[in-house]
Amino acid sequence: ILNVEQSPQSLHVQEGDSTNFTCSFPSSNFYALHWYRWETAKSPEALFVMTLNGDEKKKGRISATLNTKEGYSYLYIKGSQPEDSATYLCASPGKAGTALIFGKGTTLSVSS
Amino acid sequence: DTAVSQTPKYLVTQMGNDKSIKCEQNLGHDTMYWYKQDSKKFLKIMFSYNNKELIINETVPNRFSPKSPDKAHLNLHINSLELGDSAVYFCASSREGGASYEQYFGPGTRLTVT
Repeated sequence: ILNVEQSPQSLHVQEGDSTNFTCSFPSSNFYALHWYRWETAKSPEALFVMTLNGDEKKKGRISATLNTKEGYSYLYIKGSQPEDSATYLCASPGKAGTALIFGKGTTLSVSS
Repeated sequence: DTAVSQTPKYLVTQMGNDKSIKCEQNLGHDTMYWYKQDSKKFLKIMFSYNNKELIINETVPNRFSPKSPDKAHLNLHINSLELGDSAVYFCASSREGGASYEQYFGPGTRLTVT
């Protein structure tokens, strides 16, 4: 069974701070790593899908890196804003062709 | 236009009843999923369908039966509802089922069994 772990569980920062979270996954039989943003009372929205070791992806102030050999991915948010407050989920398929196994998420709260 | 829609948004029912949740996607995707969000807000896969065929069936009670009349729809029927079935159920879709493609989620259906 694939275990996808995320840390920290929750995080509180001030507006303008930069922050990052970690997603850990088994490095053997890696297929893909997804990041989703989940705002309260809404549904998860995809941020990134990463497949190659060393991948770096960026969307506005949010970026992610991937290390498949050591089994981790980092999500970075530069200059956090209150609208960044959400739960950030990472997920990986157990093996090629299977559905995503989600981590429990990191809940970010940004105060102004 | 809503990409992935679910109906109803809220469903309150009594133990023992049978109920259905409908899901439709207008993205032209081949693969659809049902997830359950448990009390700890953890998203867990239940089923996955690719082009109307079941490809993943996790350890879900037999009381849960997905039905896909066409590749744009994946409905979830639940028989003999139990208190423990209370949760938020999310439908999702992706271009293909290989998990290299991002998934698009519906708004969720909050099921409350009393």
